[in-house]
Amino acid sequence: SAVISQKPSRDICQRGTSLTIQCQVDSQVTMMFWYRQQPGQSLTLIATANQGSEATYESGFVIDKFPISRPNLTFSTLTVSNMSPEDSSIYLCSVGGVDSNQPQHFGDGTRLSIL
Amino acid sequence: GDSVTQMEGPVTLSEEAFLTINCTYTATGYPSLFWYVQYPGEGLQLLLKATKADDKGSNKGFEATYRKETTSFHLEKGSVQVSDSAVYFCALSEGTGGFKTIFGAGTRLFVKA
Repeated sequence: SAVISQKPSRDICQRGTSLTIQCQVDSQVTMMFWYRQQPGQSLTLIATANQGSEATYESGFVIDKFPISRPNLTFSTLTVSNMSPEDSSIYLCSVGGVDSNQPQHFGDGTRLSIL
Repeated sequence: GDSVTQMEGPVTLSEEAFLTINCTYTATGYPSLFWYVQYPGEGLQLLLKATKADDKGSNKGFEATYRKETTSFHLEKGSVQVSDSAVYFCALSEGTGGFKTIFGAGTRLFVKA
């Protein structure tokens, strides 16, 4: 199974600033996903990032707030822009298989706190 | 749309007790079903899966059977350990190409020694 490394593992940021989270996979994958997990909550999909195309955002998430890059088949970044305390969450990167029978593999997440 | 409903937590058990975490789903097609576990400070890990009706997924003493007639995928373990303390997520996924995974709300399990 894929090994996923996320950086940073945690950060404390000032409101109004931006933070870029990196996700590195040890093998080439087509689909990468970015999730938000608010304290004590389940996972909410932010967007799906495929290499060579624009990311597809879920309802309630916009590119200006959460720009995503996917420069190659092993790497992606998520930026949380103009942060407010409501953005305090765990942000998770995952990769999936080519069909729905295959599970997703997750990084350990980035724990973000906004002051 | 598709959805997953799982029992609310937290669930608190003594070591060696029997565990059941209920999960039911709503789907338009024939989804694959998963249980993921999240230990403190970590991301989610696949615990087990089942891809068609009557399949039983099992791992580390945990089991779940895909019941199409009751649209359920309940997680069970005969004897829990303190190390099983974690958050458990039921999830479904269906389709190809543009498929997505839908997660339940998660159930936190505490196991006391």
